Amino acid sequence: QSVLTQPPSVSGAPGQRVTISCTGSSSNIGAGFNVHWYQQLPGSAPTLLIYANDNRPSGVPDRFSGSKSGASASLAITGLQAEDEADYYCQSYDTRLSGSEVFGGGTRLTVV
Amino acid sequence: QDLLAQSGAEVKKPGASVKVSCKASGDTFKTYGISWVRQAPGQGLEWMGWISGYNGNTHYAQKFQGRLTMTTDTSTSTAFMELRSLRSDDTAFYYCARCAGRTNWFDPWGQGTLVTVSS
Repeated sequence: QSVLTQPPSVSGAPGQRVTISCTGSSSNIGAGFNVHWYQQLPGSAPTLLIYANDNRPSGVPDRFSGSKSGASASLAITGLQAEDEADYYCQSYDTRLSGSEVFGGGTRLTVV
Repeated sequence: QDLLAQSGAEVKKPGASVKVSCKASGDTFKTYGISWVRQAPGQGLEWMGWISGYNGNTHYAQKFQGRLTMTTDTSTSTAFMELRSLRSDDTAFYYCARCAGRTNWFDPWGQGTLVTVSS
């Protein structure tokens, strides 16, 4: 049971837009802590996709965007491409248990 | 761009210990911290703990306290993660990742080290 809740899977056709939600609570996202997103391609380590809610590292296409509102955050991917097929994870900080980094359970994106 | 290079795969018996290394390139090791994250086969990401590259301060997830130790060797820009009393459910990929401090993002990540616990 992950502290942050993500849908297990989403899918979309090439060129479409998809969103992935990340729902937290008053001890993490709702407390004002930033949300970060990672992409994990099959067989690879995760890579940073969005940091501090809505910032893209250099090299990440602007098709990827992040937002945060209240105790939730979202990752949006526009102009879906086959290479976007991957697992996506959100991450934040939680004040419980002496404070710890927490992840969502992950969302598998399938490009159909 | 700094890179993190981890040690190779390990196979351990239940009850044993494993020590995984994570060597950072570049000269910014003392400016950042290193977090360790693990991923069981087919499962999600689980944060294990953090160590400061500046002063070696640590913060472990409550779940691992008592059998997890993180250390650094600043002379070689290397971080280490030792997990003791291994069980079969410790079988996972173990990743190190650079972070500016607690509550910050992880970037970059090491390539991962597969630790298999089996009798």
